[in-house]
Amino acid sequence: QSVLTQPPSVSAAPGQKVTISCSGSSSNIGNNYVSWYQQLPGTAPKLLIYDNNKRPSGIPDRFSGSKSGTSATLGITGLQTGDEADYYCGTWDSSLSAHYVFGTGTKVTVL
Amino acid sequence: QVQLQESGPGLVKPSQTLSLTCTVSGGSISSGGYYWSWIRQHPGKGLEWIGYIYYSGSTYYNPSLKSRVTISVDTSKNQFSLKLSSVTAADTAVYYCARGAYSSSVFFDYWGQGTLVTVSS
Repeated sequence: QSVLTQPPSVSAAPGQKVTISCSGSSSNIGNNYVSWYQQLPGTAPKLLIYDNNKRPSGIPDRFSGSKSGTSATLGITGLQTGDEADYYCGTWDSSLSAHYVFGTGTKVTVL
Repeated sequence: QVQLQESGPGLVKPSQTLSLTCTVSGGSISSGGYYWSWIRQHPGKGLEWIGYIYYSGSTYYNPSLKSRVTISVDTSKNQFSLKLSSVTAADTAVYYCARGAYSSSVFFDYWGQGTLVTVSS
């Protein structure tokens, strides 16, 4: 049972935009930086965003991240069929037993 | 280009100890600055952080697994390992090793391909 809540699924047509929310609390998102991961079917997760809104080299600017308070958002513009995947947020949780936590995951479907 | 590769038995009996090794290439574990991590994914489920080890040997574990987990590092072989004791069917999962980098916070920038471990008699 993750402490970071994401919508189970989002969908849109090719070329459109989707946003994925990641809701947490003051012990995690509220006081730490968020990263986002893309997991294509049958593959390992891949880093998309780190430090809330930074993209690693090679990640297109169609992917963006933001954070406000205890929530974070991943945006994908110009949706492509190759973007169909599961997406996870992640951050450090600074509660009594500090540890890293991932979100529940969101399946993106391109209609 | 950093690459990570998990290895170990794909089948473990209940109550036994799961042991996996991650071999790192394209970079040295002992160069410092990274958190060498284990993450698992139950079939059809989300990601669960198990823990990580710094090159110096300092470890951090998920409190839900802490009593059963040991992560160690062998800098001479450029490998780090996971041991999970007293396994049950609930430990059946794909196990990933990953490199944790740090900028303003920790994030995982390189991942292994993952290895499925099934706990069954």
